[in-house]
Formats: sequence, C-alpha cells, structure tokens
Amino acid sequence: GDSVTQMEGPVTLSEEAFLTINCTYTATGYPSLFWYVQYPGEGLQLLLKATKADDKGSNKGFEATYRKETTSFHLEKGSVQVSDSAVYFCALKNTGNQFYFGTGTSLTVIP
Amino acid sequence: DTAVSQTPKYLVTQMGNDKSIKCEQNLGHDTMYWYKQDSKKFLKIMFSYNNKELIINETVPNRFSPKSPDKAHLNLHINSLELGDSAVYFCASSVGGRTDTQYFGPGTRLTVL
Repeated sequence: GDSVTQMEGPVTLSEEAFLTINCTYTATGYPSLFWYVQYPGEGLQLLLKATKADDKGSNKGFEATYRKETTSFHLEKGSVQVSDSAVYFCALKNTGNQFYFGTGTSLTVIP
Repeated sequence: DTAVSQTPKYLVTQMGNDKSIKCEQNLGHDTMYWYKQDSKKFLKIMFSYNNKELIINETVPNRFSPKSPDKAHLNLHINSLELGDSAVYFCASSVGGRTDTQYFGPGTRLTVL
C-alpha cells in the first residue's frame, strides 16, 4: 500500500543552521506531496506542496522538490530560526484521494 | 473567521463515560476527517465523510462513531471511554481531488482518568 517514511527526530539545530528533513514515499500512480507543520499546541497547517514530478514547493524559506526517480520530497531551509521549532509532517495524497502522513519530525532550534 | 473549529479544546473525563467532540468547517468543503494524534505525535486517520457518506473507516474500535448532520459538520462520539483513548483529536476538511490540501482544526485534547 501507499506510505510515507520520514527521518526520525528529534532534530536540534542552532539558529542559522541548514535544515534537511528527509522524506520518501511509496505510491502507485502520481500522488501529490505535501509538507505540513504543527506548532506547539496547534493543529497542522500546510507549509508547501508539489503536485507533479520536478515541481518545487516553497514557502517561508522552506523548499522541497518532487523527485519521482528517487521517490523523495526532502524538506530544506538554508537558515533556520527559533520560530521554526515545530513538528514537520510529510504527506501524500494518492489518485484515490487518500491522505497518508509520515510519523512527524520534531525540530528544535536553539539561539 | 475560523475555517475549521472544534469544541471543546480540552476534555477531561472518567473511564466508562460517553463523550462527543464537535467539528464545523465554513470552507464549503465536501470531505471532512477525524485524526487521532498520540503522545509521540503519530497521526492516525480514523474516519472521513464525503457528502454525508462514510468513505474511509480505518480499524478503529466501534466505540467511536462519526456523525455528520450536514456537510459542514462532522462530530465524533465516543462510548465507554478507555485510558488508551487519551490523545489529541483533530478534525480536518478538504475539497477533494488529488492536489487538494487538508485544513486542520486546532485539536481537542482528551484525557481519560
């Protein structure tokens, strides 16, 4: 069945460090791929998405590129801030309109 | 205006009780969902409703029952609460379609004592 695998956390970085959170997926057909972010005490909110191969989603300095050849959608940011501390979820939506979420990666950015 | 709202935000109750969590969306979406998030932040889909029809029902206990009085509401009723039901429950909605985004509510933290 379809699934999403993302790197386990927690991840702790110093402010202005480079961030990568790995995400790979398994799906038949051509899914859409998403990154959601959950700030402490809040619900999930969309960070970025990509709907076809080689698309790059970007928002708030975060980027992820839909790589069909490696079935990956890694999240990157060049310089993290304390306010980026949150839990990040990779997700896919398949051609049957079903969502699959990864297990989440907790990020803590220290000043 | 809040797009997806849930009530209550916190719910503390005793084992064996019956409780409900309400969800409303004002986005005009066709599909609504319920998720359970455990203490390790793992997110598990429980149900989804599309135009008042259940289309996903994962292997959750039948003590949990979704009820949708109309397209804008999807309530979650839980019978005979157990300690393991303690979690944060999120409601979400989406339009539908492969590229569509889900919009999440703020969550309801349920604690069973």
